[in-house]
Amino acid sequence: GNSVTQMEGPVTLSEEAFLTINCTYTATGYPSLFWYVQYPGEGLQLLLKATKADDKGSNKGFEATYRKETTSFHLEKGSVQVSDSAVYFCALGYSSASKIIFGSGTRLSIRP
Amino acid sequence: EADIYQTPRYLVIGTGKKITLECSQTMGHDKMYWYQQDPGMELHLIHYSYGVNSTEKGDLSSESTVSRIRTEHFPLTLESARPSHTSQYLCASSPPVDSNEQYFGPGTRLTVT
Repeated sequence: GNSVTQMEGPVTLSEEAFLTINCTYTATGYPSLFWYVQYPGEGLQLLLKATKADDKGSNKGFEATYRKETTSFHLEKGSVQVSDSAVYFCALGYSSASKIIFGSGTRLSIRP
Repeated sequence: EADIYQTPRYLVIGTGKKITLECSQTMGHDKMYWYQQDPGMELHLIHYSYGVNSTEKGDLSSESTVSRIRTEHFPLTLESARPSHTSQYLCASSPPVDSNEQYFGPGTRLTVT
């Protein structure tokens, strides 16, 4: 069946460090891929998405590229800030379906 | 900006009480969802709805029930709360055009003592 596997956390980095959070997926057909972010005490919000192979989603300095050949959608940011501390969820979905499949989440903490 | 609201934000209640968690959205979305979130962060879909008078059970079995009498309102009820129901409950909705993207409320943190 369809599934999402993401890097286990917690991940702790210093401010201005480079960030990569790995995400791989198993799916049939051509799903859309997402990164959602959950800040402390809040619900999830969409960070970025990509709807087809080789698309790059980007937002707030974060980027992820839909790699069909490696079934991956790794999240990257060149220089993290303390305000990026949150839980990040990789997810996939199909436009014909109503449900999204979420990964287990990766907690990111940034030290000043 | 998403307009989806959950009340209460925090609830501490004794075992055996009946509770209703409220979720409302003002975006006219047909699809709505309830997730239970572990302390370890993982999300589990417990209920969803395609529209008025439509409700379905999700991937994780839950003793809660839901109703969808109005498009904007999707309450979740526990008839008799137990400590095992202690969790974070997140409500979400998605538009009909792109059902991939979900908009989340801020969540209700429930503690049953």
